[in-house]
Amino acid sequence: EAEVAQSPRYKITEKSQAVAFWCDPISGHATLYWYRQILGQGPELLVQFQDESVVDDSQLPKDRFSAERLKGVDSTLKIQPAELGDSAMYLCASSLVPGGYGYTFGSGTRLTVV
Amino acid sequence: AQSVTQLGSHVSVSEGALVLLRCNYSSSVPPYLFWYVQYPNQGLQLLLKYTSAATLVKGINGFEAEFKKSETSFHLTKPSAHMSDAAEYFCAVSGGTGTASKLTFGTGTRLQVTL
Repeated sequence: EAEVAQSPRYKITEKSQAVAFWCDPISGHATLYWYRQILGQGPELLVQFQDESVVDDSQLPKDRFSAERLKGVDSTLKIQPAELGDSAMYLCASSLVPGGYGYTFGSGTRLTVV
Repeated sequence: AQSVTQLGSHVSVSEGALVLLRCNYSSSVPPYLFWYVQYPNQGLQLLLKYTSAATLVKGINGFEAEFKKSETSFHLTKPSAHMSDAAEYFCAVSGGTGTASKLTFGTGTRLQVTL
């Protein structure tokens, strides 16, 4: 069964350092999402891509977060500088089309900022 | 805009007992509704989805949910709980396509299954 690949699985970084997460969606999936899940809460959308274009980044803290999906395949989410409040699970998901049919999530990257 | 309310952050049932996890939604457009399960330090796995077809939706692992428009509810049930069902469950809603395809999640319900 096809999977959404994410790396690293776990990341510990110091406050004010830069950190990056990588996501490889299911082959052929044009829509890619990054969600952030704070412990004890539901995931919240950070950014949505359609191919290489950003469709929705209204909840992305643009002063410190950036996301790119060059060539419309894999994607990188970066935080610089990291803050204590960024500690969370970062989940990537992809879908074949941007439809409301549910999509496939990766296993996530657990970030701890110390 | 869409929102989801999950009633009960923790639910405990005995093995073999009925599982009922409650979800109420709010949506300005016909909603698509989903239930996901999450095990510790894992991603989200889709249990089932409602996309305007049959109101009673059957999913994996014996779970099902019924869409009730009049009650704006989409409660998740399973007739007989198994120890392996212990996990966090999230109800989510989306508005359909494009930017409306983003999922808005509830705060989750942790299901505990006891012997």
